Amino acid sequence: SQKIEQNSEALNIQEGKTATLTCNYTNYSPAYLQWYRQDPGRGPVFLLLIRENEKEKRKERLKVTFDTTLKQSLFHITASQPADSATYLCALTNQAGTALIFGKGTTLSVSS
Amino acid sequence: DAMVIQNPRYQVTQFGKPVTLSCSQTLNHNVMYWYQQKSSQAPKLLFHYYDKDFNNEADTPDNFQSRRPNTSFCFLDIRSPGLGDAAMYLCATSSRGGLAKNIQYFGAGTRLSVL
Repeated sequence: SQKIEQNSEALNIQEGKTATLTCNYTNYSPAYLQWYRQDPGRGPVFLLLIRENEKEKRKERLKVTFDTTLKQSLFHITASQPADSATYLCALTNQAGTALIFGKGTTLSVSS
Repeated sequence: DAMVIQNPRYQVTQFGKPVTLSCSQTLNHNVMYWYQQKSSQAPKLLFHYYDKDFNNEADTPDNFQSRRPNTSFCFLDIRSPGLGDAAMYLCATSSRGGLAKNIQYFGAGTRLSVL
């Protein structure tokens, strides 16, 4: 079955630095991959989608890369701010293409 | 604003007492999902509706049922809640196909406590 691993449960960085979160997957080659943000006690919010034929996608201070050879996606937040503190979830479509499978997430804490 | 609304935000029930959680959407999406999320864990898909077609995940306990009376509403019924069913329940919608690519729009969730 498909498996998603996000490299660490928690990441602490200082304001202004770049946060890099990792998502690895096995047993599957998804056509695209998504990243979501989840704040405590709230539902996830969609951030970015990247397709298998795209190496990189950007949105404001966010950047996502997708390496289908390594089966890995990297999620970067540049010039991080305390307001970026949240849990970030990686998600892939299941093999049937009918639903998403989520990773456990990485909790990012940005200190000022 | 178009959105996904879950009611109630917090629900307390007793062990074994049936409970229903509700979800409504104004996005007119054809797919609605129910997830269970426990602390520090990934959202776990329970089932989803593609229009009126119900799709159950293989490992979803029989204790969990769902109803979708129309496009806008979907309900999660827990017939006999156990202590292990205490969790956040998330409803999500998507418009399957084309560029939408299963991007999901979530409600704020219902936190269920079982006493």
